[in-house]
Amino acid sequence: DVKVTQSSRYLVKRTGEKVFLECVQDMDHENMFWYRQDPGLGLRLIYFSYDVKMKEKGDIPEGYSVSREKKERFSLILESASTNQTSMYLCASITGGDRDGYTFGSGTRLTVV
Amino acid sequence: DQQVKQNSPSLSVQEGRISILNCDYTNSMFDYFLWYKKYPAEGPTFLISISSIKDKNEDGRFTVFLNKSAKHLSLHIVPSQPGDSAVYFCAASAQGGSEKLVFGKGTKLTVNP
Repeated sequence: DVKVTQSSRYLVKRTGEKVFLECVQDMDHENMFWYRQDPGLGLRLIYFSYDVKMKEKGDIPEGYSVSREKKERFSLILESASTNQTSMYLCASITGGDRDGYTFGSGTRLTVV
Repeated sequence: DQQVKQNSPSLSVQEGRISILNCDYTNSMFDYFLWYKKYPAEGPTFLISISSIKDKNEDGRFTVFLNKSAKHLSLHIVPSQPGDSAVYFCAASAQGGSEKLVFGKGTKLTVNP
């Protein structure tokens, strides 16, 4: 089974802190994604990456950046956390050309106080 | 501009009856559609998909119907079981879109014993 592992299930951070959310997948997938899920808004794409050191903005990239130095790891960075970034963050990966095989991590519930 | 719409935030059905979840889309470039199921504090899991060249796909109790002319798809669950209670997300992707998914806002299904 493909495993997508998000390093933290729950995080509490202070406003203005720099926050790192880590995601690791173990199936050599090219494509990796970061979404956030908010009640009534569904899943919204923040950033995605289709190769090492490649990244593209999703629908709501403001306030976020990403890093992909190795194929298996995709990090989401909140440069200066704000309360409106309190959310459930979901990482996913899929191999190129496979349209069914999206696999999500269990999510990180981030609270910014 | 919402490209994938799930207009019913919630649905409640009796155990053993049919559950019908609906989804509309606006982007004509979408050619692949998926349904994901999500329990609280877990990542979404893939349920069923359909290509735009088909109008129906069935997998056990789950059937997805696609009406391309109406840009509408639906998920039928028969018979519904209490374990089906979850949030269901409709998602769509376009060929050549780096497997990027666009999600609806979700429908919370409650199956009552």
